[in-house]
This record gives sequence, C-alpha cells and structure tokens, in this order.
Amino acid sequence: DAKTTQPPSMDCAEGRAANLPCNHSTISGNEYVYWYRQIHSQGPQYIIHGLKNNETNEMASLIITEDRKSSTLILPHATLRDTAVYYCIVPRNRDDKIIFGKGTRLHILP
Amino acid sequence: DAGVIQSPRHEVTEMGQEVTLRCKPISGHDYLFWYRQTMMRGLELLIYFNNNVPIDDSGMPEDRFSAKMPNASFSTLKIQPSEPRDSAVYFCASSQSRSVAYFGPGTRLTVT
Repeated sequence: DAKTTQPPSMDCAEGRAANLPCNHSTISGNEYVYWYRQIHSQGPQYIIHGLKNNETNEMASLIITEDRKSSTLILPHATLRDTAVYYCIVPRNRDDKIIFGKGTRLHILP
Repeated sequence: DAGVIQSPRHEVTEMGQEVTLRCKPISGHDYLFWYRQTMMRGLELLIYFNNNVPIDDSGMPEDRFSAKMPNASFSTLKIQPSEPRDSAVYFCASSQSRSVAYFGPGTRLTVT
C-alpha cells in the first residue's frame, strides 16, 4: 500500500467539526484514498473513499488536495458516538488487500 | 441484510485444543477477508478469498492456522493446536467491490 501517515491522536469538542488529516505523498496513478473507523469493541466500518474530487456522504466529507499527496476527513458535527480510531488507507491499485495502519484515535470531548 | 455474521462471538479454550471460527459473508459479495486484532500488533490481514479461492495467505502466522471457503456463503478459520499467543479478536469481512469491505462483529478468542 502507499504509505500513509496520520497523527496518533486528536481531540475535538462535541458539536464542532472534526478534521482528520492523512499524508499519502507516495500515492500514484489511480490509487484511491479510503477511510474506515473502528469504534471500541466493534469491527471496522467503511466511511468514504475518493480519487481526486472531494466526496461527501451521510457520514463525512473527504477533501483531497490537488496534488493528491494528502487528504482530510471531515466529520461536520462531531458527537460522542464518533469517538473511534480512524484509518486512512491507500490500497495498491493492482491489489485487493485492505491493510490497516495505526490510525488516529479521535476523542470527542463533551 | 443481516451483515457479516460470525460465530461464536466469544471462545475460551485451553492450549492445545482445536478452535474453529465461522463466518457468513454478505450475500453477493465476492471477497472474504480474515483479520486478527491484538493490542500489540493492531489489525492484521491473515488471508483473503475471491470467489471462494484463496488469493493471498501471506498473513497466516504459521501452519497451525488454516482457512477454507467451501462455498460463497461460508468460511472457516481453524487453529490447531491453539496457543495462548493466539488470543485476539478475529474479524471476518466481505466485499463486493475492491477495498469497500463490511466487517462482522468479531470473535474474541481466549486461549488459556
């Protein structure tokens, strides 16, 4: 997988936007950026993915820089239920494996 | 849709015993993944299947681990003999399209 770098932890106040960064400077070709999260004691949950353009769904928004070397996952109005580990993944284009790194542990503060 | 179903949810066994974990993927999904999660090593991909065929088992730790997918709706992960270091949460996931996977609730395995 293209190497991704995420901060180990972040805090965000409840009701505010949570902005989670990811660096993937070695991304190449048509490799997509995927985001998953894992709430404590649950299986990982797919959030969103994108290639070049910004993407939005009911869970989050994904902003990818023009050079595609970094991206930001935005949770627009964070709630306590958004406390989780968030993983940014860039699978190799020719591969189907989903490899998880250490992710960012997001704490939502009441 | 019930999602990915795993059984049992919890398993406690003694060292040396055989352990079989089961997974029913989401209907219509072509990919099935087995992961293991521990505090020390995080989420590790053990093996994945495409159309019931094992594609990559490079993550399987050793010969004590084996996985099968006899049909599109069922897969097993077997550990024989089990050891205390196999204690972990084992997740099964299935996918219809590349890299968008849906995970089951996991099986928490404790080997004493």
